[in-house]
Amino acid sequence: EAGVAQSPRYKIIEKRQSVAFWCNPISGHATLYWYQQILGQGPKLLIQFQNNGVVDDSQLPKDRFSAERLKGVDSTLKIQPAKLEDSAVYLCASSRTGYEQYFGPGTRLTVT
Amino acid sequence: ELKVEQNPLFLSMQEEKNYTIYCNYSTTSDRLYWYRQDPGKSLESLFVLLSNGAVKQEGRLMASLDTKARLSTLHITAAVHDLSATYFCAVAPSTGNQFYFGTGTSLTVIP
Repeated sequence: EAGVAQSPRYKIIEKRQSVAFWCNPISGHATLYWYQQILGQGPKLLIQFQNNGVVDDSQLPKDRFSAERLKGVDSTLKIQPAKLEDSAVYLCASSRTGYEQYFGPGTRLTVT
Repeated sequence: ELKVEQNPLFLSMQEEKNYTIYCNYSTTSDRLYWYRQDPGKSLESLFVLLSNGAVKQEGRLMASLDTKARLSTLHITAAVHDLSATYFCAVAPSTGNQFYFGTGTSLTVIP
């Protein structure tokens, strides 16, 4: 069974630029999560999808972050415009039952 | 706001020694998870604890859950260098499937 795929693995941008991350969950997993992990901290949930609907986006900075999951499979997370404090690893996870989450390799974003 | 606290944050231990990492949380929950993260890598699931009194063991690691005390422990027995990593606990509240992660414990096992 293939795991959660993410791309790109690394991205360096200047502040005020925009960036997008892509996630492909494990086949059959209805729930998809995006986390932000700042260096030295635990992952923080940004948004949770159930199929193509949003379950929880209470911690998503909506003035600059957006996410979508069209067709209930792949998902993209966008930041526009980026700030220095957005430098972090962005992790995507998926779940079939909600009881376990399987994490992708992450995208390391550096904003200069 | 749900809080998940781990201690210690940093742990340097000698090989063959035993130690325990603690995870305290502030809300009602009957699901607790332990993950391992190697530098530059993603999170690897270690244990899923789904009920009060649950105990699971894998190799030199053993995790337990006390939902009444809102406490989970990860016990390391006879540490070896390969266990060096950062360990996270995560809690799912009784209502909802969101995971709330602790701050992590960075473990270094030295010869």
